[in-house]
Amino acid sequence: NAGVTQTPKFQVLKTGQSMTLQCAQDMNHEYMSWYRQDPGMGLRLIHYSVGAGITDQGEVPNGYNVSRSTTEDFPLRLLSAAPSQTSVYFCASSPYPAGGGYNSPLHFGNGTRLTVT
Amino acid sequence: SQQGEEDPQALSIQEGENATMNCSYKTSINNLQWYRQNSGRGLVHLILIRSNEREKHSGRLRVTLDTSKKSSSLLITASRAADTASYFCATDPNSNSGYALNFGKGTSLLVTP
Repeated sequence: NAGVTQTPKFQVLKTGQSMTLQCAQDMNHEYMSWYRQDPGMGLRLIHYSVGAGITDQGEVPNGYNVSRSTTEDFPLRLLSAAPSQTSVYFCASSPYPAGGGYNSPLHFGNGTRLTVT
Repeated sequence: SQQGEEDPQALSIQEGENATMNCSYKTSINNLQWYRQNSGRGLVHLILIRSNEREKHSGRLRVTLDTSKKSSSLLITASRAADTASYFCATDPNSNSGYALNFGKGTSLLVTP
């Protein structure tokens, strides 16, 4: 049981390049989400999905796109990378929506460390 | 938005001592959760306490919740070097703000042998 798998672990991009961060879970969780973690800022929610075909914005969605075509996968696309997107990105999943009173803890992947030069 | 605020930002203790960290939040909540993050890894869920609960235990962990003061504390008893990590509280706000948890900035715990 792999849990939440994120690839790649590390990535360096030049300003203006695009890329996709992959996230896959094998727990049949309906809810998936993307956070970024910056020093002194804690975790901030980028986008989330409550099921296949349904996505919504979090606190810091600008510059990122998501889609959810299957229950297992929730890729995060950086459209045109900027130095401000240098961060560690975490994908997390849960059987039920995180928040909304569902009392459903999040399962995190081990992150992708992204540097934009 | 980040609602939880952990205190202290950093804590250094010796093995065998107890570690206490606190979390304050601003609005009413459905539940509050604590997570641990080891260096270079993802967060791991430790414990969830519902808004109608006052105390919860899990092994060496004890969590309290005071909704009147909008605060929670995490106590780790008999700390071990392996407890060295960052600890985050996350709140589930009782509002129509979508399906999301709000994380604090964390407390960095160092346990020395």
